[in-house]
Amino acid sequence: GENVEQHPSTLSVQEGDSAVIKCTYSDSASNYFPWYKQELGKRPQLIIDIRSNVGEKKDQRIAVTLNKTAKHFSLHITETQPEDSAVYFCALPPYSSASKIIFGSGTRLSIRP
Amino acid sequence: GAGVSQSPSNKVTEKGKDVELRCDPISGHTALYWYRQSLGQGLEFLIYFQGNSAPDKSGLPSDRFSAERTGGSVSTLTIQRTQQEDSAVYLCASSFTGTGGAHYGYTFGSGTRLTVV
Repeated sequence: GENVEQHPSTLSVQEGDSAVIKCTYSDSASNYFPWYKQELGKRPQLIIDIRSNVGEKKDQRIAVTLNKTAKHFSLHITETQPEDSAVYFCALPPYSSASKIIFGSGTRLSIRP
Repeated sequence: GAGVSQSPSNKVTEKGKDVELRCDPISGHTALYWYRQSLGQGLEFLIYFQGNSAPDKSGLPSDRFSAERTGGSVSTLTIQRTQQEDSAVYLCASSFTGTGGAHYGYTFGSGTRLTVV
């Protein structure tokens, strides 16, 4: 069945440095790859997504890259700031109405001052 | 409404009592999910509704948990005979189904924090 593995589970970086979180999936039919950010005590919110017809998408300091051949997609945060501290989840939405979205196990990102 | 609405936002109940949690999805969203999230943990899938299809109940942890979705819109998650281990944040999410069945616009509600004492 469909599966997604997310690494690392925790990540600590110095403020200003970059952070990279990677998700590997098994279902080759997936064509949409979102990332969610969950701040402490709040709901997960979509921060960026990518469709399978492109290899990279950027939004200011955040970017997502997709390698369909290798079946992985990654979240890149550059020039990290304290407000980037949160838990990040990748997701593998279903490609048919019969299947359901699958979330990665999450990465707790901490930004050191 | 503009977003996914959940009520109550907080619920404290005594062990052994039944509770009902409500989720009002975004209008037009055919897919609705319930998750449970314990402090510092990931998203534990509970149940998934898609249109008029039979729900995917594979994530419900015990027969004390049940959910229904009336009229393809509002959903209620019921926990009977609550236990202390049921204490968690219960999140609802909804999405719409695009061409070919793919899901987009996946949005979470703000959750219900359940505390069983």
